[in-house]
Amino acid sequence: QQQVKQSPQSLIVQKGGISIINCAYENTAFDYFPWYQQFPGKGPALLIAIRPDVSEKKEGRFTISFNKSAKQFSLHIMDSQPGDSATYFCAATKSGGYQKVTFGTGTKLQVIP
Amino acid sequence: EPEVTQTPSHQVTQMGQEVILRCVPISNHLYFYWYRQILGQKVEFLVSFYNNEISEKSEIFDDQFSVERPDGSNFTLKIRSTKLEDSAMYFCASSGQPGNEQFFGPGTRLTVL
Repeated sequence: QQQVKQSPQSLIVQKGGISIINCAYENTAFDYFPWYQQFPGKGPALLIAIRPDVSEKKEGRFTISFNKSAKQFSLHIMDSQPGDSATYFCAATKSGGYQKVTFGTGTKLQVIP
Repeated sequence: EPEVTQTPSHQVTQMGQEVILRCVPISNHLYFYWYRQILGQKVEFLVSFYNNEISEKSEIFDDQFSVERPDGSNFTLKIRSTKLEDSAMYFCASSGQPGNEQFFGPGTRLTVL
């Protein structure tokens, strides 16, 4: 019940295309859903996050869509660029308490010119 | 911009040896975490630490592991007797308040031979 499922495992997108990564969770106690971007040899860095009281959040080229009833959320990267090539992790946590982050399995995105 | 730092960046040790991984969290943060990432896999929570005590730990964090905040700035993870399967990237993270973003350090790559 603590798992966060993520797909696809890897993704190749043409420059300028849209990258879409999907995640699903089971634990309804989760109430904060961050996405992390990780470059090789680096730690995860927060990219964008959403709480379930909104259905969509947009920051620049990055958009999270959230479907509370389906317990699913997704990351859309518009106008994908080679510099976006990284591993993306969806995650979930409870905003109260000490909020350990439960990570998805990761998606390795490659944006080709 | 404040950041979490970790030392060493790479640690090689023999099976059965003790290792200490060091982290300097962001200075005004109160909540501290260790995560690990086995090569090619997702990031997994190990332990959270607040007010000089463990607040939560995962099933991975067995008696071989311990954490300490020996002074006002460092946060350490000790593995008493390393096993081959302890080989992973270990990330330290910190946050200022529950519900706030966790900032991750660059990680220490531990290789157990």
